[in-house]
Amino acid sequence: DTGVSQNPRHKITKRGQNVTFRCDPISEHNRLYWYRQTLGQGPEFLTYFQNEAQLEKSRLLSDRFSAERPKGSFSTLEIQRTEQGDSAMYLCASSSGLAGGVTDTQYFGPGTRLTVL
Amino acid sequence: QKEVEQNSGPLSVPEGAIASLNCTYSDRGSQSFFWYRQYSGKSPELIMFIYSNGDKEDGRFTAQLNKASQYVSLLIRDSQPSDSATYLCAVNDYKLSFGAGTTVTVRA
Repeated sequence: DTGVSQNPRHKITKRGQNVTFRCDPISEHNRLYWYRQTLGQGPEFLTYFQNEAQLEKSRLLSDRFSAERPKGSFSTLEIQRTEQGDSAMYLCASSSGLAGGVTDTQYFGPGTRLTVL
Repeated sequence: QKEVEQNSGPLSVPEGAIASLNCTYSDRGSQSFFWYRQYSGKSPELIMFIYSNGDKEDGRFTAQLNKASQYVSLLIRDSQPSDSATYLCAVNDYKLSFGAGTTVTVRA
């Protein structure tokens, strides 16, 4: 069990550029989640996948954001036309989805810190 | 998202003391609650979860749940300097709704 991995760990970009982040969940975890965390706040839910199906998107996820999980394994989160307000830590988590709702435990990756200049 | 409130910090405790962290939630139908620890610049790591009323102990950590009062707490016994971190309370409804966190500093 190698844990959740995310790449890159840090990304600095200029306003208006597109960026893409990758998340590799724990092997055989069916569910994959994306969260965003800004300084002094707890993580905020963005979207989640059950296998390859994207089941929910937060209203925080504007149309500049898109996420995919094409084969039900790794996922990508793309932000188009980045804005300074997009600067945050982007966290990916995964869970087995097998334990039932109350005990299904999410494990977080190390995060990708995005800075938009 | 469901509202989750945590007691404002920062909380400073001497080494060896008990740190008490509190969390309230707005949705009476919420069923399970998770505590995560987050060191500065790092991602959240799971401490424990609870879904039944009462206490649940795991090493130096005890989670307490009172669904009637919509209240969850975490006690850290014998606090160590390595416990200095931000503690996040989250309601689990397949997605996690987090509070803003309470920062704990353990003074040696």
